[in-house]
Amino acid sequence: EPEVTQTPSHQVTQMGQEVILRCVPISNHLYFYWYRQILGQKVEFLVSFYNNEISEKSEIFDDQFSVERPDGSNFTLKIRSTKLEDSAMYFCASARDGGYEQYFGPGTRLTVT
Amino acid sequence: AQRVTQPEKLLSVFKGAPVELKCNYSYSGSPELFWYVQYSRQRLQLLLRHISRESIKGFTADLNKGETSFHLKKPFAQEEDSAMYYCALSTVQGAQKLVFGQGTRLTINP
Repeated sequence: EPEVTQTPSHQVTQMGQEVILRCVPISNHLYFYWYRQILGQKVEFLVSFYNNEISEKSEIFDDQFSVERPDGSNFTLKIRSTKLEDSAMYFCASARDGGYEQYFGPGTRLTVT
Repeated sequence: AQRVTQPEKLLSVFKGAPVELKCNYSYSGSPELFWYVQYSRQRLQLLLRHISRESIKGFTADLNKGETSFHLKKPFAQEEDSAMYYCALSTVQGAQKLVFGQGTRLTINP
């Protein structure tokens, strides 16, 4: 069964550095999402992406964040100038259509020191 | 704004006992409600959604619009049901982001 994959599984970075989190959605899916979960807190929506553009973003998703689908398979989340409070588990998800089940990746644990 | 509340962070029941995980939501429109489950060391996966009205792994959930609730129930808990359970809400327009509750960790004791 096809799965969403994410790399790396764990990323450690220093405050102020840029990180890129990578996701490979399921191949015939059209909608892509990033969520994050700070330790002990709920899973929070960051951004949705469809037809090569952002369709919705949360107030968390400020100018520090950007997303890209650089080719036909990858979907990336870039965090510029990381802060301590960016430490979290970041989940990528994809869906065949907006009304369909979202399939989640295993997550990337980002630790900012 | 949309909001999902799961009042219990932890729930522990004995094998064979009934289970009910509570979920309440707040949304002015017509929502879609989901239960996602995360077993140990596994990814988040959809357990069930209200529009399908299915029973998955013995679990059912009924949307009660009057009480704005979507409680998850199973009559006889099994040890393999131990997991983290998240209730989530989606709007019916656009890209349909998910709004999650804080999750309930269910432990089934032998």
